[in-house]
Amino acid sequence: DIVMTQTPLSLSVTPGQPASISCKSSQSLLHSDGKTYLYWYLQKPGQSPQLLIYEVSSRFSGVPDRFSGSGSGTDFTLKISRVEAEDVGVYYCMQGIHLRFGQGTKVEIK
Amino acid sequence: QVTLKESGPVLVKPTETLTLTCTVSGFSLSNARMGVSWIRQPPGKALEWLAHIFSNDEKSYSTSLKSRLTISKDTSKSQVVLTMTNMDPVDTATYYCARILAVGYYYFDYWGQGTLVTVSS
Repeated sequence: DIVMTQTPLSLSVTPGQPASISCKSSQSLLHSDGKTYLYWYLQKPGQSPQLLIYEVSSRFSGVPDRFSGSGSGTDFTLKISRVEAEDVGVYYCMQGIHLRFGQGTKVEIK
Repeated sequence: QVTLKESGPVLVKPTETLTLTCTVSGFSLSNARMGVSWIRQPPGKALEWLAHIFSNDEKSYSTSLKSRLTISKDTSKSQVVLTMTNMDPVDTATYYCARILAVGYYYFDYWGQGTLVTVSS
């Protein structure tokens, strides 16, 4: 199975400042079809997860452009250009091959 | 508007069988490349995919839980049912259903609100 490892596990950010979360997979997520099946979800407090980013860097419908995803192969990053109060929660990366999630990164506001 | 809603017992006893139902709207369970997954989350812990089913009745199960899980669907009722046998306190979790898309591999785009299931005698 492909293991997903996120760092850091928690992050405290001043509003308006950037934030970055890393996700590493134990195997390459590049498929023979040329796509890379890496996704990012945000679980806000008391809510179900919501899709932010699909296939590494595409924002899902309605996701603000302050969220961006990048990476390739085994190393991926989610960036928030300017953190807002509504961005608090736990962020998960997920690989779409075996549907495994990372441990989650908790983002709080300072 | 795509919505999914989980229903089932809030409390089950150890060794009992859990039956959860996911009722969907805004899409059809007969749509190709769309299906429904079950995912769970123990309190304070990460997400764990359990199973999924597609319109052609293709099913897949978590390797570690395969012997205990059964997923089925009733397209006419827009429902997907998950059963998990031999429940244990470690199975206490919020159980989510989510729409799964097959686009080469898979991902979840819409999730239900989740239902908390506690396993206790």
